[in-house]
Amino acid sequence: DIQMTQSPSTLSASVGDRVTITCRASQSIDTWLAWYQQKPGKVPKVLIFRASVLESGVPSRFSGSGSGTEFTLTISSLQPDDFGTYYCQHYNLYSWTFGQGTKVEVK
Amino acid sequence: QVQLRESGPGLVKPSETLSLTCKVSGDSVTSRTSYWSWIRQPPGKGLEWIGYIYYSGSTNYSPSLKSRVTILLDTSENQFSLKLNSVTTADSAVYYCARGDGTFRFFDDWGQGTLVTVSS
Repeated sequence: DIQMTQSPSTLSASVGDRVTITCRASQSIDTWLAWYQQKPGKVPKVLIFRASVLESGVPSRFSGSGSGTEFTLTISSLQPDDFGTYYCQHYNLYSWTFGQGTKVEVK
Repeated sequence: QVQLRESGPGLVKPSETLSLTCKVSGDSVTSRTSYWSWIRQPPGKGLEWIGYIYYSGSTNYSPSLKSRVTILLDTSENQFSLKLNSVTTADSAVYYCARGDGTFRFFDDWGQGTLVTVSS
């Protein structure tokens, strides 16, 4: 099975900061990677799919990059609405796997 | 817009079977572009994919749960269901049903989630 490792597990940041979250796969996954945002008590919301495609309606301050085994989610200027937990998700051979999550909290 | 709604008991006893149903509206469970999935999230923890069912009835399950999971399709009611047997307290979680996009392989529509507690 392909393992997904997200880092950091927790990130403290201030409004206006540039934030980067990394997801590493144990073997190459091409660009079959998505990113989600989840707020407490809420349903996860997709931000990025196919590693770098911005989902409709998602603010342009969110961007994704990477291919193969290393992927990055970047928030160019953190806004108050962006605090929450972020998950990467991989697809391979009819199976899906989530990363363990990165909590973005107020510094 | 696709809408999904989970239903089922909120409390299950240890060693019994957890059963949930997901009613779909705005799309058909016979769609060839959708993978109808179950995902769970224990309190305070991360997301875990459980498995999916495709319009043809084919399924795939997480290796860690495969021996205990069954997902079924009900085309007459446009819904799909989850059965997890021999539950323990470790199976207590919010259970989500979701639509997996068949082209780009991500989950674009989710139910609101239902909390299932395993306790005697």
